[in-house]
Amino acid sequence: AQSVTQLGSHVSVSEGALVLLRCNYSSSVPPYLFWYVQYPNQGLQLLLKYTSAATLVKGINGFEAEFKKSETSFHLTKPSAHMSDAAEYFCAVSDSGYSTLTFGKGTMLLVSP
Amino acid sequence: DTAVSQTPKYLVTQMGNDKSIKCEQNLGHDTMYWYKQDSKKFLKIMFSYNNKELIINETVPNRFSPKSPDKAHLNLHINSLELGDSAVYFCASSTSGRGNTGELFFGEGSRLTVL
Repeated sequence: AQSVTQLGSHVSVSEGALVLLRCNYSSSVPPYLFWYVQYPNQGLQLLLKYTSAATLVKGINGFEAEFKKSETSFHLTKPSAHMSDAAEYFCAVSDSGYSTLTFGKGTMLLVSP
Repeated sequence: DTAVSQTPKYLVTQMGNDKSIKCEQNLGHDTMYWYKQDSKKFLKIMFSYNNKELIINETVPNRFSPKSPDKAHLNLHINSLELGDSAVYFCASSTSGRGNTGELFFGEGSRLTVL
C-alpha cells in the first residue's frame, strides 16, 4: 500500500522568498513521485515527476524536487516565489505505475507582496 | 486541442435529479478515471476503466454509474442527487502496462452544485 503525507495545509511566503512544500511518502516498492499544481477553478497540471532517474528533478515554472530515499521525502522547492505561484499543490505517489496515483491532501501556497 | 475535455464545466441542480458528465481524451490513452474533489480539496478516486473495462470501483454509492463506450470516452451518470454529491468531478487519463509511470492527465473539472 502507498500513502502520501503533505505537512502543512497552508504555507505562506513573501514574494521573492524561498518556497518549500513538504511531502513524505510510503511505498512498498520503489515509487514514482509527482507534484501537481491546481490554480483556482482549474484542473491539475503536472509540475514535475520522479521516475527513478536523477534524484533532483526540475519542473516547470522554476520548481524542483529532490527524491531522498533515506528520508522517504520528495519536497518541492522554488528559490524565489512569484505572486502567480499562489495555488494548491498536490504530491502523489505510484508504485511502479501499475497502481493508481495516491494523492496527498494538498498544500495551499499563499504569496504576499 | 484540449487533451482531456469534460462537459459541462458547471452544473446546478435540485436534490433528487439525475445528471451526467461527459469526458473525452484525445491522447490515445487506454485508461480513464473519475476523481471527486471535495470542499477541502481532497482528491478521491471513484472509478477507473481500462479499455472500456471497469478496474477500480472505490466504495462509491451505486447511484453513480460510469459508462465507457470506447477507450476515449468515460461518462459519469448520477441518479437521485444528494446534497453531499456537491463537489468538483475530475476526469483523467493515463497509459497502462509496462513502462507506465502512473502519470495522470486531468480535465478542467465539472463543478456540481446540488441545491
